[in-house]
Amino acid sequence: GQQVMQIPQYQHVQEGEDFTTYCNSSTTLSNIQWYKQRPGGHPVFLIQLVKSGEVKKQKRLTFQFGEAKKNSSLHITATQTTDVGTYFCAGKESGNTGKLIFGQGTTLQVKP
Amino acid sequence: DAMVIQNPRYQVTQFGKPVTLSCSQTLNHNVMYWYQQKSSQAPKLLFHYYDKDFNNEADTPDNFQSRRPNTSFCFLDIRSPGLGDAAMYLCATSRGRGGDQPQHFGDGTRLSIL
Repeated sequence: GQQVMQIPQYQHVQEGEDFTTYCNSSTTLSNIQWYKQRPGGHPVFLIQLVKSGEVKKQKRLTFQFGEAKKNSSLHITATQTTDVGTYFCAGKESGNTGKLIFGQGTTLQVKP
Repeated sequence: DAMVIQNPRYQVTQFGKPVTLSCSQTLNHNVMYWYQQKSSQAPKLLFHYYDKDFNNEADTPDNFQSRRPNTSFCFLDIRSPGLGDAAMYLCATSRGRGGDQPQHFGDGTRLSIL
């Protein structure tokens, strides 16, 4: 079945450094969503990308969807301690009733 | 505020003793999902309802059942919990299914098995 792989699994950065997590699918995705889960919290929707090559920004966060719609990335510029958490990508299976397939997540630790 | 509410936040049950987790939503969304999330893992979809249409994932154990008596409420029943069922259980809703809409998650119920 369809798989969504996410790397790295863990990332430790110094506050102020940049951070990137990558998401790769075994098949073409209809769209991709990104969620953030704070320690002890629940996943919170960040953004959805639909178009090939799409780039969206939310303040220090930049989201990209690959040209082939099989990969995506989330880049955080100048990390802050409030960025700590696990970032999940979730790709939609092809087909009208395709469900979301979650990646394994990247856990970000930020050292002040 | 419109939201997804899960009760209780923490649930302890005994091995083999049935347990029910509840979820309610004020978003009036058509779709409600139940996920199981174990430590350091991605949420794993157990099943979802599109209105009253129940959709079970192929690898969801028969031990797990769900009920949706109305739009607002959804229940997860674990008939005979085993030690491997200890996890965080997340309820989520979306306006439509098919992965086109954002999913709104509740705070989860952390289930412990004694």
